Amino acid sequence: QVELVESGGGVVQPGSSLRLSCAASGFTFSSYAMHWVRQAPGKGLEWVAVVSYDGNKNYYADSVKGRFTISRDNSKNTLYLQLNSLRGEDTSIFYCVRGSRYGSGSFYFDYWGQGTLVTVSS
Amino acid sequence: QSALTQPASVSGSPGQSITISCSGTSSDIGGHNYVSWYQQHPGKAPKLLIFDVSNRPSGTSYRFSGSKSGSTASLTISGLQADDEADYYCSSYTSSSIFFIFGTGTKVTVL
Repeated sequence: QVELVESGGGVVQPGSSLRLSCAASGFTFSSYAMHWVRQAPGKGLEWVAVVSYDGNKNYYADSVKGRFTISRDNSKNTLYLQLNSLRGEDTSIFYCVRGSRYGSGSFYFDYWGQGTLVTVSS
Repeated sequence: QSALTQPASVSGSPGQSITISCSGTSSDIGGHNYVSWYQQHPGKAPKLLIFDVSNRPSGTSYRFSGSKSGSTASLTISGLQADDEADYYCSSYTSSSIFFIFGTGTKVTVL
């Protein structure tokens, strides 16, 4: 069965950096686009970033562009999110999410991890 | 546009049907058939309910159905059950620079 397990969250000060990881199993990781989606406490979902199945293309929400970097290592079935210049408004649960299969011609998020909490506070 | 527009709350009695709307623009819902819906129970990760406007993945009850008209998508829950009490989010691919956009979320209460 598909499993996505995030790690790397924690409490950090404003301006700090953090790297989130997501270990994937139960499917052919290298065939799927992968996303990060976040949710601030008590708030709605916000799409953060996507990386293509082969890691060659990535796109970001305007709110994180230039500060966050999404990447993947298909040899390790692992997705990453590097968070730099963190701000208080970045405090959120970050979810690792499976996207479209290469060539599917569709866009949706079918499997979600349980999330990892990032708290930015002085 | 930072988010698709959903009603903050919708309620219904057990056995009734309710519909949640999701309003967008020609750049997202109106321009693509990539609308999806997610259910989120408190403290849990979201779960995919509907994809490509009206398709149900395996495991989604037939009681959940999706549709679209112009730039507005809708999720209908028929035969409302206690376990349907949760937050619901729509989402769409968008040809704007955002790429993917979520709705503001709707809290469903079963009376």
